[in-house]
Amino acid sequence: ETGVTQTPRHLVMGMTNKKSLKCEQHLGHNAMYWYKQSAKKPLELMFVYNFKEQTENNSVPSRFSPECPNSSHLFLHLHTLQPEDSALYLCATRHPGNTIYFGEGSWLTVV
Amino acid sequence: QQQVKQSPQSLIVQKGGIPIINCAYENTAFDYFPWYQQFPGKGPALLIAIRPDVSEKKEGRFTISFNKSAKQFSLHIMDSQPGDSATYFCAAYAGGTSYGKLTFGQGTILTVHP
Repeated sequence: ETGVTQTPRHLVMGMTNKKSLKCEQHLGHNAMYWYKQSAKKPLELMFVYNFKEQTENNSVPSRFSPECPNSSHLFLHLHTLQPEDSALYLCATRHPGNTIYFGEGSWLTVV
Repeated sequence: QQQVKQSPQSLIVQKGGIPIINCAYENTAFDYFPWYQQFPGKGPALLIAIRPDVSEKKEGRFTISFNKSAKQFSLHIMDSQPGDSATYFCAAYAGGTSYGKLTFGQGTILTVHP
């Protein structure tokens, strides 16, 4: 248990659906991240939030829309996704000493 | 310049062997180098980390060797066990104004046979 909880753990959605991934942290960290993990690719940073403000969007398509309503919650809203968006989506938080803690991820399958 | 190159992609050793995973980087602004271990179905978990002011760090059976001039670092697992079978990622972090962005290597799938 890393203190970073992601829900749902598994999600199957059609290309016309709208769904959201949720991340909750109980560590009091001020930086939160979304990463994408695909087979045979390095972990890809998608978004960075610091003190609830988005500080980085790593050229992510607009069909992915993050939201950080408070310092404990981070969402990734999904709409009109493509099959190639199927991947493991990881939420992470950063300790002031630079250690980054990951959640267990949400497995997304787009059909 | 943000890339971290990791090798090999996969590695198979016998129990008790010493697998070595290597990483190289270009960006001299990187100042923190963690290694993550990931088991199937789980998120990556921090294993060990090093800063460029030291050349080696050991925690239990895991050792990081760091060569600042060559911009390379490696993970050694002493007396490897089947339970060490996992995917290992090296990463590099540049602090300052980059808000803690970790750049990851491609990952190495380690299999330790009994």
